[in-house]
Amino acid sequence: DAKTTQPPSMDCAEGRAANLPCNHSTISGNEYVYWYRQIHSQGPQYIIHGLKNNETNEMASLIITEDRKSSTLILPHATLRDTAVYYCIVSDYNNNDMRFGAGTRLTVKP
Amino acid sequence: NAGVMQNPRHLVRRRGQEARLRCSPMKGHSHVYWYRQLPEEGLKFMVYLQKENIIDESGMPKERFSAEFPKEGPSILRIQQVVRGDSAAYFCASSPLGDRANTEAFFGQGTRLTVV
Repeated sequence: DAKTTQPPSMDCAEGRAANLPCNHSTISGNEYVYWYRQIHSQGPQYIIHGLKNNETNEMASLIITEDRKSSTLILPHATLRDTAVYYCIVSDYNNNDMRFGAGTRLTVKP
Repeated sequence: NAGVMQNPRHLVRRRGQEARLRCSPMKGHSHVYWYRQLPEEGLKFMVYLQKENIIDESGMPKERFSAEFPKEGPSILRIQQVVRGDSAAYFCASSPLGDRANTEAFFGQGTRLTVV
């Protein structure tokens, strides 16, 4: 079973920031938070990951709370092509636990 | 560097036949994961393999399903005596050896199995 909970769906206006929350209250000290997305029926695509500190790359930013019990993925300027199911995963050191939950279906609207 | 390659992309089998799904990981990757996705559902973990070893097969059905990742060649997910309920998209992911917790996994485009 997944160790994360996410809202089933969210909408976002094109050009606005999309903030996708994830709860991982049972996360342990050596587990990373990963985000992937799946556009339509394609293979999942890696977005970003982090341990404690906030992270940013060309796709998104990841904000992790100080107690690490939750995180937020931020797409700063959502486009229609960002419409997808977004998965938040916590993975242990051995990466044995790549378990996907139901994810959040983000719909970006014009 | 080619990505994770899965073949075939589409596979049609009659009930009772065998299905073989192949996954070639990215160059230098020695960890492979298999997932199943039923229509309109999320990804379900099936099995995690390293070269010549099954590390975690807790998501594999107890019967008819098997997986291997030989020293040479692709990883194979084998489904014997397929039934209609096996119809799904099967995705493979790979990650490199090393600090695996700090490394993303790369996914293939999947094999869509249809059992008729």
